[in-house]
Amino acid sequence: AQSVTQLDSHVSVSEGTPVLLRCNYSSSYSPSLFWYVQHPNKGLQLLLKYTSAATLVKGINGFEAEFKKSETSFHLTKPSAHMSDAAEYFCVVSDRDTNAGKSTFGDGTTLTVKP
Amino acid sequence: NAGVTQTPKFRILKIGQSMTLQCTQDMNHNYMYWYRQDPGMGLKLIYYSVGAGITDKGEVPNGYNVSRSTTEDFPLRLELAAPSQTSVYFCASSRSLRDYLYEQYFGPGTRLTVT
Repeated sequence: AQSVTQLDSHVSVSEGTPVLLRCNYSSSYSPSLFWYVQHPNKGLQLLLKYTSAATLVKGINGFEAEFKKSETSFHLTKPSAHMSDAAEYFCVVSDRDTNAGKSTFGDGTTLTVKP
Repeated sequence: NAGVTQTPKFRILKIGQSMTLQCTQDMNHNYMYWYRQDPGMGLKLIYYSVGAGITDKGEVPNGYNVSRSTTEDFPLRLELAAPSQTSVYFCASSRSLRDYLYEQYFGPGTRLTVT
């Protein structure tokens, strides 16, 4: 069985300061992990993905995430927040070997960026 | 290349009515999904399909039906609409090679209200 927990439902940062959005996962097999971003009244857009290559994954718009198997974590970071980063962020896990394409979404973290 | 398209964008239904949400993708993806997103929550999988003629239930299938007669189309049918089905519905698609799940591409969503 697979599950994902986003540890913060809301994160607020000032523009220009670092961003950390935390995600822990549970997976019976080798997981694929994803971060998606959703701007208000929009669909979801892929930020980055981990699929067993490098453990440090770089994505779009300066975001990156590190896969830590020992901690079952896949936290999303960005060195310097921009106003346009304000959005909802979802961590997603998928067991690659068994689940025929089914993914499990976290409940989301709302990122607020203050000027 | 339009990606994933959904119609309609908005719909208001009365209790007991039925409707079909349309979803089409032009990326030749074999996997397609239907999710619902309730306010403040992540996405919950309703149904998914791994190819034409093959569908399976997700986490929350009750009250819905799907079919997949072509690679491109994956309509979602609501029978006897209930207020609990008020939600935003997202269709997504992905390709999968030997169970190695690639990222999902999302449509813009359909906002459904049942009163």
